[in-house]
Amino acid sequence: DAKTTQPPSMDCAEGRAANLPCNHSTISGNEYVYWYRQIHSQGPQYIIHGLKNNETNEMASLIITEDRKSSTLILPHATLRDTAVYYCIVRVSNTGNQFYFGTGTSLTVIP
Amino acid sequence: AAGVIQSPRHLIKEKRETATLKCYPIPRHDTVYWYQQGPGQDPQFLISFYEKMQSDKGSIPDRFSAQQFSDYHSELNMSSLELGDSALYFCASSPTTGVRNTEAFFGQGTRLTVV
Repeated sequence: DAKTTQPPSMDCAEGRAANLPCNHSTISGNEYVYWYRQIHSQGPQYIIHGLKNNETNEMASLIITEDRKSSTLILPHATLRDTAVYYCIVRVSNTGNQFYFGTGTSLTVIP
Repeated sequence: AAGVIQSPRHLIKEKRETATLKCYPIPRHDTVYWYQQGPGQDPQFLISFYEKMQSDKGSIPDRFSAQQFSDYHSELNMSSLELGDSALYFCASSPTTGVRNTEAFFGQGTRLTVV
């Protein structure tokens, strides 16, 4: 059930902002946008989520377009430790509802 | 802060054997999720539980079963193991506010190898 589309890979220079796009043109009004990342063979790590407003936390910022059909995850100052696969997920936040992991974007931060 | 605890971290079984994976959610989290991740693949959802009842079901084989106990920990039971069951198995937990739960937090996984 691919509800999101992400580029398969991206590079980013260390210290620069990493902007990871995600298309979710069929998103429903009650679906949230979530971002997770997975560093090789570790458990997926929650980054941020939002419904329609832009969100910011200590890890990243999430920019959601007004029509909610796309979003961008921003890592303001990428470090080598940010090299990971980043997953954009849309999900209705009902109890126990699964998080569907698509193919994600493999981000490589270059020294 | 307490995280999701999975045990064992590594497990080696022979074909046709059984395996039990355990998951201890973050305290006060009432929802658990199980995922399977094969080599080079993305995490695949297996099953989830809320308040000890199955909540959502994914591509979980009939040979697998799971349950959530009164203390909210969960176990994934796998029988008649096949070579293709070799994978990382992740558990995640999340709290519920009203009828919603938002972010889920993942454990470090159990690496199952079937030989």
